[in-house]
Amino acid sequence: QQPVQSPQAVILREGEDAVINCSSSKALYSVHWYRQKHGEAPVFLMILLKGGEQKGHDKISASFNEKKQQSSLYLTASQLSYSGTYFCGTVTNAGKSTFGDGTTLTVKP
Amino acid sequence: GAGVSQSPRYKVAKRGQDVALRCDPISGHVSLFWYQQALGQGPEFLTYFQNEAQLDKSGLPSDRFFAERPEGSVSTLKIQRTQQEDSAVYLCASSVVGGYQETQYFGPGTRLLVL
Repeated sequence: QQPVQSPQAVILREGEDAVINCSSSKALYSVHWYRQKHGEAPVFLMILLKGGEQKGHDKISASFNEKKQQSSLYLTASQLSYSGTYFCGTVTNAGKSTFGDGTTLTVKP
Repeated sequence: GAGVSQSPRYKVAKRGQDVALRCDPISGHVSLFWYQQALGQGPEFLTYFQNEAQLDKSGLPSDRFFAERPEGSVSTLKIQRTQQEDSAVYLCASSVVGGYQETQYFGPGTRLLVL
């Protein structure tokens, strides 16, 4: 089953914060986050493994609540370069990998 | 090369034609994945190789789709008798070791348009 992402789209001004959520109906082993700009390949952001991890680099961080089968991606003090579509990819305990339909983030000056 | 490469980048096919899409993974990467991405949607899993072994082909939509990786490096996705619904971007990704748990590095994709 495909994970569900919310919101589907968000528009921000530079410097504002955003949260993107990803939830699954299946027990998850890991969650991956990717950003894809129009016409380009998805680019890896981070991976969170079972165990309730929270990770971050620069102003982008994420958390993984394995009990709720949910992950959230936090973007703080957004920059124009953050614009793109963010996908979560989930890996179930059975080893199946699926992606959500993405959240389109637009950062305006 | 430094990253995953795919060729051709764009392919226009007439309905009923066969097409072959190539993926060159990062050198030494054990795992290779193929995905199909329709406009406005996330990548959908097609198939997964570990070296030359195709361990999972559960995402291939029909028997018109066939993938191979005979020497454990370059992979080819073949679509026979293409249909309009096959139009999509086909993404290839590779990862260092086996399994779905590793970071996947994506290629630029092949945009297939079936007329």
